[in-house]
Amino acid sequence: AQSVTQLGSHVSVSEGALVLLRCNYSSSVPPYLFWYVQYPNQGLQLLLKYTSAATLVKGINGFEAEFKKSETSFHLTKPSAHMSDAAEYFCAVRNNAGNMLTFGGGTRLMVKP
Amino acid sequence: DTAVSQTPKYLVTQMGNDKSIKCEQNLGHDTMYWYKQDSKKFLKIMFSYNNKELIINETVPNRFSPKSPDKAHLNLHINSLELGDSAVYFCASSQRGVEDTQYFGPGTRLTVL
Repeated sequence: AQSVTQLGSHVSVSEGALVLLRCNYSSSVPPYLFWYVQYPNQGLQLLLKYTSAATLVKGINGFEAEFKKSETSFHLTKPSAHMSDAAEYFCAVRNNAGNMLTFGGGTRLMVKP
Repeated sequence: DTAVSQTPKYLVTQMGNDKSIKCEQNLGHDTMYWYKQDSKKFLKIMFSYNNKELIINETVPNRFSPKSPDKAHLNLHINSLELGDSAVYFCASSQRGVEDTQYFGPGTRLTVL
């Protein structure tokens, strides 16, 4: 069975600083990995996804993530945080036997002025 | 045009009642889902459904039942509501295949009193 662990339920950065949100996965087969963002009182919006093509994946709003098989990681980064990036971020792995997503516990990103 | 829509956005009801949440997608996808997000923001799959099969997360009580009148709709019916059912429920849809990305609705906040 797949599982996802997001280290750090809360991350706080200053505006303009690097954003790093950590995600580690467990999967017995090559995974499909996703990052979603949830703004307050809204649904989930896809940021980016890894589907076994390029290991460095670029997403919307300047975010990117790198798939590292040796570390079983798929960390999300952004070079310079903006106030509008404040939200909840979820990493997810897709079940290869079907198409269900298993989510990590989420990381709340706070951006200080 | 909204891709995945849900109604109502908010639902407040008493214990023991029966209620339904509606979901519609206009993306032409063949698979729809229901997820539950608890008060700690943890997201968990409840159902996956297409016109061929219903996959139920074994932890979901049988008071919950998905109903699909057609491919574009997957409604969630809940019998005998309990306090612990209070959560935000998200509908999602996807097209099965390699690029099987799920798109989420805005969520329905259910409060059971």
